Amino acid sequence: QKEVEQNSGPLSVPEGAIASLNCTYSDRVSQSFFWYRQYSGKSPELIMSIYSNGDKEDGRFTAQLNKASQYVSLLIRDSQPSDSATYLCAVKEEYGNKLVFGAGTILRVKS
Amino acid sequence: DTEVTQTPKHLVMGMTNKKSLKCEQHMGHRAMYWYKQKAKKPPELMFVYSYEKLSINESVPSRFSPECPNSSLLNLHLHALQPEDSALYLCASSPLRGDEQFFGPGTRLTVL
Repeated sequence: QKEVEQNSGPLSVPEGAIASLNCTYSDRVSQSFFWYRQYSGKSPELIMSIYSNGDKEDGRFTAQLNKASQYVSLLIRDSQPSDSATYLCAVKEEYGNKLVFGAGTILRVKS
Repeated sequence: DTEVTQTPKHLVMGMTNKKSLKCEQHMGHRAMYWYKQKAKKPPELMFVYSYEKLSINESVPSRFSPECPNSSLLNLHLHALQPEDSALYLCASSPLRGDEQFFGPGTRLTVL
């Protein structure tokens, strides 16, 4: 069974700071990685996809991928209270062609 | 239209009832998924349809029966559920199986 590990948190950061969320995965051949944001009582919302080593930026969000270390991260710059949510890391399992989700990290941004 | 819709938003049913959940997308996606999510847990894959054919059944009990009438619609038929089946049921779609998935708002199911 392929695994995706995340620190459950909660990760608390002050408003305006950078929030750093981390994820490791066990499937060495995985090529596709996703970050979802889920507010309490709502469904997951796709916020970033990354497929190549390095950084990918989209507004205040930066996804970082290091396939050699089997590590993917999400940075949120200028964190806002509205960023408070659970962030789910998902890795595509190449053999089964399906997503494996981490348990999620709870982020709390304090004003 | 760039969203996945699900009906109903909430459903309460008894253990002897038969009900159905509905999911619809008009993005031309050819893969559709059913997930179950319990509180404080990640989504758990139940079924995958690719080009209207069932391609993955994650050993889901037969009291859950999926159906894909066409490329835009996905149903989940429920019969003789147990209280532990109470959860948020999520539908998702992707352009092709394995691509990034987009979730609908979910159906909150309570089994009494």
